[in-house]
Amino acid sequence: EIVLTQSPATLSLSPGERATLSCRASQSIRRYLAWFQQRPGQAPRLLIYETSNRATGIPARFSGSGSGTDFTLTISSLEPEDFAVYYCQQRKDWPLTFGGGTKLEIK
Amino acid sequence: QEQLVESGGGLVKPGGSLILSCAASGFTFSDHYMGWIRQAPGKGLEWVSYISKSSLYTNYADSVKGRFTISRDNTENSLFLQMNSLRVEDTAVYFCAREATTNWFDLWGQGTLVTVSS
Repeated sequence: EIVLTQSPATLSLSPGERATLSCRASQSIRRYLAWFQQRPGQAPRLLIYETSNRATGIPARFSGSGSGTDFTLTISSLEPEDFAVYYCQQRKDWPLTFGGGTKLEIK
Repeated sequence: QEQLVESGGGLVKPGGSLILSCAASGFTFSDHYMGWIRQAPGKGLEWVSYISKSSLYTNYADSVKGRFTISRDNTENSLFLQMNSLRVEDTAVYFCAREATTNWFDLWGQGTLVTVSS
C-alpha cells in the first residue's frame, strides 16, 4: 500500500499570506496525485488533479506541483474561506490512499 | 444541478448489517465509475470501494473485503453499499463519490453516518 505523509499537520497563517502544503509518497506515484479541501461539516472538494490541474471552478490562487514522491499544494494568497483541512490522494496503485491531512488554521 | 445524496446510515450493533444508498441526479450516472469513501469521527479519509460503469469491475479496501458489497442500478441512478458483519471500527461518515472522466473523484455527497455500537 502506498502511504502518503502530509506535512505539516497544522499550519497557522494569516489571510493574505502564502501557504505551502506538502505530501510525500512512500514510493513513486508519478503524477497521479490529487488535492482535496474539506471544510467542517462538509464533503471533500476536489481542488487539483494529476498533480497540477485545477478542477472546475477552482480559483487560480490554488496550484500544485511535484512528481515521483514529493508534491506541493500552494495557495498564493489566503482568503478567509481557505482555512480548512487539505488531503492529498493517489491513484497510482490499489488501494487508493489518502494522506492524513493538513489543517490550515487562522493565526 | 449535479448531486449525490446518501441515505441509510444509522446505529447498528456489532455483527449487524446495513445498506447504504446514494441517489444521483443532474448527470448521466451510467457514464461514471463510482466509489465509497469513509471518514471516522475526527479522522482522515479512507477509500472503501469502487465500481465500474457496468458493474463488471469492483474493488474493495482490505479492511472491508468479504464483508461489504458495492452495487449499482443504472436504471434508478443509484449506488449501494451492503455492509455485513459490522465492527466498531466501521463507525464513520460514508461518502459516495463520482469519478470524473479525469479519473478523480470530482463530485461527493454530503455523507451518511454509520455508528456501530452495542
